[in-house]
Amino acid sequence: AQSVTQLGSHVSVSEGALVLLRCNYSSSVPPYLFWYVQYPNQGLQLLLKYTSAATLVKGINGFEAEFKKSETSFHLTKPSAHMSDAAEYFCAVSKNNQGGKLIFGQGTELSVKP
Amino acid sequence: DGGITQSPKYLFRKEGQNVTLSCEQNLNHDAMYWYRQDPGQGLRLIYYSQIVNDFQKGDIAEGYSVSREKKESFPLTVTSAQKNPTAFYLCASTGLATNEKLFFGSGTQLSVL
Repeated sequence: AQSVTQLGSHVSVSEGALVLLRCNYSSSVPPYLFWYVQYPNQGLQLLLKYTSAATLVKGINGFEAEFKKSETSFHLTKPSAHMSDAAEYFCAVSKNNQGGKLIFGQGTELSVKP
Repeated sequence: DGGITQSPKYLFRKEGQNVTLSCEQNLNHDAMYWYRQDPGQGLRLIYYSQIVNDFQKGDIAEGYSVSREKKESFPLTVTSAQKNPTAFYLCASTGLATNEKLFFGSGTQLSVL
């Protein structure tokens, strides 16, 4: 069975500081992994996805994530936080690698302090 | 502009009542999905459809029903059998190529009166 665990339901950083949101996965097959962002009362928007082409994946808004098979991790980072990055972030794995059937982590709410 | 439209944005259900959430897309996507979002639990798959007139249960289908009579539309009915319906419901769509990204609607917040 596949699963995703996000460490930390709430992360707070200062504007300009490094953002690190942690995600660990469990999968019996080579996984396809995603990070989505959700702004209040809105749907989710894809930040980036890993589909085995490259272990370091660059996404929108300056975010990137590195797939580490040995650590079963797919942590999301951004070198310098901006106020507009405040949102909820979800890590997800594609269920049996079938398109839109995703298994989501419980989410991490990112707060950015001025 | 292409996208997914969910309506209404807010919906209230009385005890014993069935309610239907609308989802329409003009992206020409074959596959459509319904997810339920509860605070602190992430999103869970309710139903999905990959072709007109066909749909499959997701992980939490009990108390819900769907139809897919048109490619553009995938309405979700929350029946009276769903005893804990209060949640944020998200509709999504994608093409059928492996691991294409999901496009999400802006969601419907359902609450029980």
